[in-house]
Amino acid sequence: DTGVSQDPRHKITKRGQNVTFRCDPISEHNRLYWYRQTLGQGPEFLTYFQNEAQLEKSRLLSDRFSAERPKGSFSTLEIQRTEQGDSAMYLCASSFTGTQGYTFGSGTRLTVV
Amino acid sequence: GQSLEQPSEVTAVEGAIVQINCTYQTSGFYGLSWYQQHDGGAPTFLSYNGLDGLEETGRFSSFLSRSDSYGYLLLQELQMKDSASYFCAVSSPLYNQGGKLIFGQGTELSVKP
Repeated sequence: DTGVSQDPRHKITKRGQNVTFRCDPISEHNRLYWYRQTLGQGPEFLTYFQNEAQLEKSRLLSDRFSAERPKGSFSTLEIQRTEQGDSAMYLCASSFTGTQGYTFGSGTRLTVV
Repeated sequence: GQSLEQPSEVTAVEGAIVQINCTYQTSGFYGLSWYQQHDGGAPTFLSYNGLDGLEETGRFSSFLSRSDSYGYLLLQELQMKDSASYFCAVSSPLYNQGGKLIFGQGTELSVKP
């Protein structure tokens, strides 16, 4: 068990470009979450999967954001037509139903220039 | 809606005891969690309270009073390595059977020698 892995660790992109991040959760965990965190703030919920089903997507998320979890294993988060306001740390976490506590990955830091 | 309030900053000296408070407003309530995050690192799970009372894990304890919508994290025998941000987070039966967490804005703890 190597914990939750996220790739890449850092991404710099030009405004208007599309970016995709990957998250590999702990293999036994059936729940996977994406959060966004900006400096000095707590993690903000984006979306949540139980196995391969996306059960909730934040109303804060525009249509430019999409997430998938094919086969209930790894997940990808895509941001289309990036804007400077998308600059943040994107955190992935996983957990198992009935247990307390998420395991977070180290995040992908996105900078939109 | 839901909201959590915690102090933005707390300073204490090595060896001392510090308490970080968290008050919450949420529709429905499962439990209160605490996470620690060092600069540039991933949030890590510290504790969970689903019932009123005190939970102790080594130097850290967490308390919950559901009637007061209030909890705190108590850190004893402070060490320099405890300097980090601490987040309280609530889970609710409204949020996908308790799977989703809503985080507070965090308390930055500075431990001085």
